[in-house]
Amino acid sequence: EAQVTQNPRYLITVTGKKLTVTCSQNMNHEYMSWYRQDPGLGLRQIYYSMNVEVTDKGDVPEGYKVSRKEKRNFPLILESPSPNQTSLYFCASSKSGGGTGELFFGEGSRLTVL
Amino acid sequence: RKEVEQDPGPFNVPEGATVAFNCTYSNSASQSFFWYRQDCRKEPKLLMSVYSSGNEDGRFTAQLNRASQYISLLIRDSKLSDSATYLCVVNPDNYGQNFVFGPGTRLSVLP
Repeated sequence: EAQVTQNPRYLITVTGKKLTVTCSQNMNHEYMSWYRQDPGLGLRQIYYSMNVEVTDKGDVPEGYKVSRKEKRNFPLILESPSPNQTSLYFCASSKSGGGTGELFFGEGSRLTVL
Repeated sequence: RKEVEQDPGPFNVPEGATVAFNCTYSNSASQSFFWYRQDCRKEPKLLMSVYSSGNEDGRFTAQLNRASQYISLLIRDSKLSDSATYLCVVNPDNYGQNFVFGPGTRLSVLP
């Protein structure tokens, strides 16, 4: 089954404790991205990647890191989480660059930072 | 001004009603437009792309007005299963896939 898989789905952590949210897709998609969704603000792009070893900042990259060492994986790293990073996170992938590709989303990871 | 704006709703309509959602975008150079649907506590899924000439998919019709920087979604004969949040999505250019999402409009179809 074609899918985007995120882990963990739910996480409660404390300020400053490094964490990684994994994202994997099995569709051989070149493009992957991370979003956060907050009430009233919609989805905002954190980082995106056009291909292996190619990453770029989205609209809200502060406090996050990403890497794209393999085509299928695109982990999101919070080196020192803070309460304002409490949010619902979505990973997404698309077949190729360009604005016509459908975005396929993972089921989301709900993160709470205390 | 936000890049993509939508009326947050909620829109509460009876089954069988016709409902229209509007969306405005600020970047006049935007190239690609979409409507996504998001069910409660679920991930967004593509509903339909929006083409310059307008397009229809069953009960759903999407329209684009580039001059007014305005996108619309019309749902005819609403079903209970149409209850969801509808996200307007704009890609400012055809490269880099820097999609910009609107905050969404919530629809509740009532029996």
